[in-house]
Amino acid sequence: DAGVIQSPRHEVTEMGQEVTLRCKPISGHDYLFWYRQTMMRGLELLIYFNNNVPIDDSGMPEDRFSAKMPNASFSTLKIQPSEPRDSAVYFCASSLAPTGYGYTFGSGTRLTVV
Amino acid sequence: DQQVKQNSPSLSVQEGRISILNCDYTNSMFDYFLWYKKYPAEGPTFLISISSIKDKNEDGRFTVFLNKSAKHLSLHIVPSQPGDSAVYFCAAKGGGSNYKLTFGKGTLLTVNP
Repeated sequence: DAGVIQSPRHEVTEMGQEVTLRCKPISGHDYLFWYRQTMMRGLELLIYFNNNVPIDDSGMPEDRFSAKMPNASFSTLKIQPSEPRDSAVYFCASSLAPTGYGYTFGSGTRLTVV
Repeated sequence: DQQVKQNSPSLSVQEGRISILNCDYTNSMFDYFLWYKKYPAEGPTFLISISSIKDKNEDGRFTVFLNKSAKHLSLHIVPSQPGDSAVYFCAAKGGGSNYKLTFGKGTLLTVNP
């Protein structure tokens, strides 16, 4: 298995532009998570899905952020409009419940908003 | 409000010695605790976990200890190797059907040859 695949690996965009981050979870995993890592806040959960349905989006910072999971093999995290404070590394992870064995993370997307 | 805390941002040890990484938590509803290891430019990788009903779990050179009364867990690496140099994250799972993991901010471990 190729693991959790995220694209792009790096994204540099101008303030105000729309940004879309993509994730392909491990086949058969029924949970998908989006995390953001910053120096100040560490790894924080933005949203997670179970069987393509959003379960908890309480970590989504504001309305500029949205996430979708149209099918079991694909998810997107969109920021519109982007701001410099959105600069961070965004990780996608997937798992099979229960999580005693942990999630499998992708390699992340490093987003820089200038 | 940080529910999972790793109070040591960094730790340096000599190869062959023991590394002890610590983690404290505040939420008594957490039912699983996990340690992840992260190399630069990669995602975190699952290392070892422990259920809240256990006090110790061992996997090769890695042992996790849980002290529920103190709301404290630790990761022991014996013997430490230079390849263990990485950032280590402590994480806790919400109880029951809550599959959210809450992470600490990480401890950078450096193992010197």
